[in-house]
Amino acid sequence: AQSVAQPEDQVNVAEGNPLTVKCTYSVSGNPYLFWYVQYPNRGLQFLLKYITGDNLVKGSYGFEAEFNKSQTSFHLKKPSALVSDSALYFCAVRDSYNFNKFYFGSGTKLNVKP
Amino acid sequence: EAGVVQSPRYKIIEKKQPVAFWCNPISGHNTLYWYLQNLGQGPELLIRYENEEAVDDSQLPKDRFSAERLKGVDSTLKIQPAELGDSAVYLCASSFASQGRNEQFFGPGTRLTVL
Repeated sequence: AQSVAQPEDQVNVAEGNPLTVKCTYSVSGNPYLFWYVQYPNRGLQFLLKYITGDNLVKGSYGFEAEFNKSQTSFHLKKPSALVSDSALYFCAVRDSYNFNKFYFGSGTKLNVKP
Repeated sequence: EAGVVQSPRYKIIEKKQPVAFWCNPISGHNTLYWYLQNLGQGPELLIRYENEEAVDDSQLPKDRFSAERLKGVDSTLKIQPAELGDSAVYLCASSFASQGRNEQFFGPGTRLTVL
């Protein structure tokens, strides 16, 4: 069965420091992986995706993610965190057989402190 | 271009009452999703439409939930009767389906409170 896991409920970083939000996945076949961000009382917003190609994917708002096949991970990163990055982050994976079906992780709350 | 529109944004009802949520997807998006999101959790798929056809409704509690997507555009999700455990955020999303390569665009959600 396809799934993603976000092992950290919450990540705390100081503004200006690098941040990492972790995601591991389990799929059959080639993984299609996504990161979304959710601000309070808002829907999810797309940040970036990995379909194929370069393992380092760059996305919106200065975020990037590194696909690691051997570790089945797709961690979200940013070199210098902003207070405005504080939000809920979700990793998602495409179903291997139902191509338009996706599974979301439980979310990681990112707190960036001034 | 307008994003995914949902209404109402908030709804408070008493248990056993009916409730309906409406979604207008992004123009041209043939795939529409309804998700349920509990507090502090990720979205869970309720139903997925490709054009006007419900292609995945395996997670929809069919005894009380129903959905329709008229003419392959707008969609309505209904609960009748609502139960206390239905309190959650109901998210609508759309995408132009391309073998799962395309991201989904989410509406702001409808926060349902059942008293």
